[in-house]
Amino acid sequence: EVQVVESGGGLVQPGGSLRLSCAASGFTFSSYWMHWVRQGPGKGLVWVSRINSDGSSISYADSVKGRFTISRDNAKNTLYLQMNSLRAEDTAVYYCARVSRGESLNFDYWGQGSLVTVSS
Amino acid sequence: QSVLTQPPSVSAAPGQKVTISCSGSSSNIEINYVSWYQQLPGTAPKLLIYDNNKRPSGIPDRFSGSKSGTSATLGITGLQTGDEADYYCGTWDSSLSAGLFGGGTKLTVL
Repeated sequence: EVQVVESGGGLVQPGGSLRLSCAASGFTFSSYWMHWVRQGPGKGLVWVSRINSDGSSISYADSVKGRFTISRDNAKNTLYLQMNSLRAEDTAVYYCARVSRGESLNFDYWGQGSLVTVSS
Repeated sequence: QSVLTQPPSVSAAPGQKVTISCSGSSSNIEINYVSWYQQLPGTAPKLLIYDNNKRPSGIPDRFSGSKSGTSATLGITGLQTGDEADYYCGTWDSSLSAGLFGGGTKLTVL
């Protein structure tokens, strides 16, 4: 069974850092592109970042560029999102999602989400 | 304000049909595939339509997708109360080199 499970969320002060992890199982993780998507309280989905299967191609939303870093460890079947200089507007549930085909936004599997709250 | 524009809400009676539009531009919808997602309250989104008009295994044929130019449409027939949810379109923007979602449409089955 395909599963992606996020962890690492929590309460952090403005300007602080947090690293999210996404553990994948049930599929050949190293063959799939992965993304992070977030959803603020009562808000819609917002795309955050993507990484290709071997980590050589990465893209970010303008709102997080220079502050967030996506990475992956294919040996550990794990996706990461390092979040620095956090702001109140980064408060959201963060989902990791697998795409069914490389350069697409066909998110066929999603995690349950990890809540990040940025507040003093 | 999303780059992809969806109506905030739509409604229809059980058994009826509804369509949800998603308007974009020449750098996103016109040249890239569109996908659609259903999000029930308190749950992660679920893929309904991919590559403009394909349904993943397990998605009933009551759900359909189409694309024309810079717009895409999700259709739902035979509405059921269980279809009440938020629906999102998504695609890649080749100019921004970024993923995009519409603002979401809340479906109410009256």
